[in-house]
Amino acid sequence: EPEVTQTPSHQVTQMGQEVILRCVPISNHLYFYWYRQILGQKVEFLVSFYNNEISEKSEIFDDQFSVERPDGSNFTLKIRSTKLEDSAMYFCASSETGGFGYTFGSGTRLTVV
Amino acid sequence: SQQGEEDPQALSIQEGENATMNCSYKTSINNLQWYRQNSGRGLVHLILIRSNEREKHSGRLRVTLDTSKKSSSLLITASRAADTASYFCATDAIDYKLSFGAGTTVTVRA
Repeated sequence: EPEVTQTPSHQVTQMGQEVILRCVPISNHLYFYWYRQILGQKVEFLVSFYNNEISEKSEIFDDQFSVERPDGSNFTLKIRSTKLEDSAMYFCASSETGGFGYTFGSGTRLTVV
Repeated sequence: SQQGEEDPQALSIQEGENATMNCSYKTSINNLQWYRQNSGRGLVHLILIRSNEREKHSGRLRVTLDTSKKSSSLLITASRAADTASYFCATDAIDYKLSFGAGTTVTVRA
């Protein structure tokens, strides 16, 4: 069964450093998403991406965040200057059509120290 | 906000018993999805029910949707120890982003 692949599974970074979280969505999917889950809290929407541009973003997705689809397969989330409160599990997801056939990756656990 | 909210927050049952959890939301939706998450792991999609459906089955899972009450329920029948996890409902409206509830933590005792 097709999977959404995320790397790395766990990343530890120092406060103020830049991190790039990587995702390989399912190949025929057109919609891509990033979500975040702070430990013990809800899964929160960060951003959706369609047709090579951001279609929607939440208030969490401020100027320190950016997304990119640098080639036909990867979808990345960059955090420019990490803060302690960025520590969370970050999930990538993709869907064939908007809202249906959502598939989540297994997540990247980001720890900012 | 159209976030789903699950009830109860936590549920402890004996193996073989049924587990029922509920989800309420606030605005109109396209569909409602249920996910499972084992501790510290990824989100596993369980079932999706569209706004024009009232009930759906998948294996030991039964989901109902009442759009007039803006609520859904997830029933796990004949629970097993492996069902121990957190269960989340997620609603999808016109903008395709999912809004998750806080989840129900289910513990199945052997």
